[in-house]
Amino acid sequence: AQTVTQSQPEMSVQEAETVTLSCTYDTSESDYYLFWYKQPPSRQMILVIRQEAYKQQNATENRFSVNFQKAAKSFSLKISDSQLGDAAMYFCALFYNAGNNRKLIWGLGTSLAVNP
Amino acid sequence: GAVVSQHPSRVICKSGTSVKIECRSLDFQATTMFWYRQFPKQSLMLMATSNEGSKATYEQGVEKDKFLINHASLTLSTLTVTSAHPEDSSFYICSARRTGGEGTEAFFGQGTRLTVV
Repeated sequence: AQTVTQSQPEMSVQEAETVTLSCTYDTSESDYYLFWYKQPPSRQMILVIRQEAYKQQNATENRFSVNFQKAAKSFSLKISDSQLGDAAMYFCALFYNAGNNRKLIWGLGTSLAVNP
Repeated sequence: GAVVSQHPSRVICKSGTSVKIECRSLDFQATTMFWYRQFPKQSLMLMATSNEGSKATYEQGVEKDKFLINHASLTLSTLTVTSAHPEDSSFYICSARRTGGEGTEAFFGQGTRLTVV
């Protein structure tokens, strides 16, 4: 079974500081993708960053970067220079290409507060 | 970027009536669309996977006769909550994967807040 675990229900960070959100996953598949999605108060899901499992290089999108440790099945998100607009729920998700049953497996989310 | 439009964003209906929620991919074709339900401060719960031209695949525990899904075209999927009851009140979100996109991200609609009174 595929699972995604986010062990931090809530996190907080000071504006301009750096914060890391943790995510671990379990899958027996070799072909999969990992995502971080952001859900602000508007509840619109927004893709933050994605990582292909076959790539060793960690993905980076501006202030957002990941630490992908494939052997440890860990996929943490680092937000640098945190801004007030970063306050949101963050979900880690796993997508695997397995026949016809392709879907996202979601973590429970981490609520991030950014303090001015 | 790809846009998914979900309508309505909010709906209030009386208990016993049916409500239809639309999910449209505006600038791409979506062979597969997903319907989620999200309770307050919780994660997304997949209800069903909608495939164009075929029957939807429902997750375990989701009543297919209550949550009717139709995916009649490559740009439109609908979710109908039949004989709605207060316990069906929730936030419903659709998402779509681009046809031919291998491993590409899913694009999400804005969500629909359903309140059954």
